[in-house]
Amino acid sequence: GDSVTQMEGPVTLSEEACLTINCTYTATGYPSLFWYVQYPGEGLQLLLKATKADDKGSNKGFEATYRKETTSFHLEKGSVQVSDSAVYFCALTDSNYQLIWGAGTKLIIKP
Amino acid sequence: DGGITQSPKYLFRKEGQNVTLSCEQNLNHDAMYWYRQDPGQGLRLIYYSQIVNDFQKGDIAEGYSVSREKKESFPLTVTSAQKNPTAFYLCASSISGQNEKLFFGSGTQLSVL
Repeated sequence: GDSVTQMEGPVTLSEEACLTINCTYTATGYPSLFWYVQYPGEGLQLLLKATKADDKGSNKGFEATYRKETTSFHLEKGSVQVSDSAVYFCALTDSNYQLIWGAGTKLIIKP
Repeated sequence: DGGITQSPKYLFRKEGQNVTLSCEQNLNHDAMYWYRQDPGQGLRLIYYSQIVNDFQKGDIAEGYSVSREKKESFPLTVTSAQKNPTAFYLCASSISGQNEKLFFGSGTQLSVL
């Protein structure tokens, strides 16, 4: 079945460092890909999405490119802030439009 | 402000007890979902509903029940048959259940006494 694999956390960085959180997937067909973010004590929010190969999703300085050849959707940001500390989830939609979730990657940014 | 409201924020269940988690949305969305979140794991789908008076089992429906009598409400009952209910429960909604953005509530933490 379809699946999503994320890099294990926590990922700890200093403020203004570059961020990459890896996400790879296996899927039949052509899924849409998503990154959601969960701040402490809250529900998830959609961060960005891409619906077809080579699409780039971007929001709040984060970006991710849908790479069909490597089945990847890595999340990147050039300069992280303390307020970016959260758990980040990669997900895809299966053929029934249901979301398949990665395990989440906790990001800790130190001042 | 439009959004999803889950209550209570914290809930405790005694052995053999059924408990109900509330989820209300005022976004006029057709589709609603219940997810379970365990530490270090992704979200797992319990039940979803794409229209009033209809709902479908997700991947881990055993020990849970739902109803969808009103468009804005999708309560989840954790029954005594669920032997490991301690988890963070998230309710979500979307416009139609067809590959678009999910909106989440702030969750309910359920613990067993």
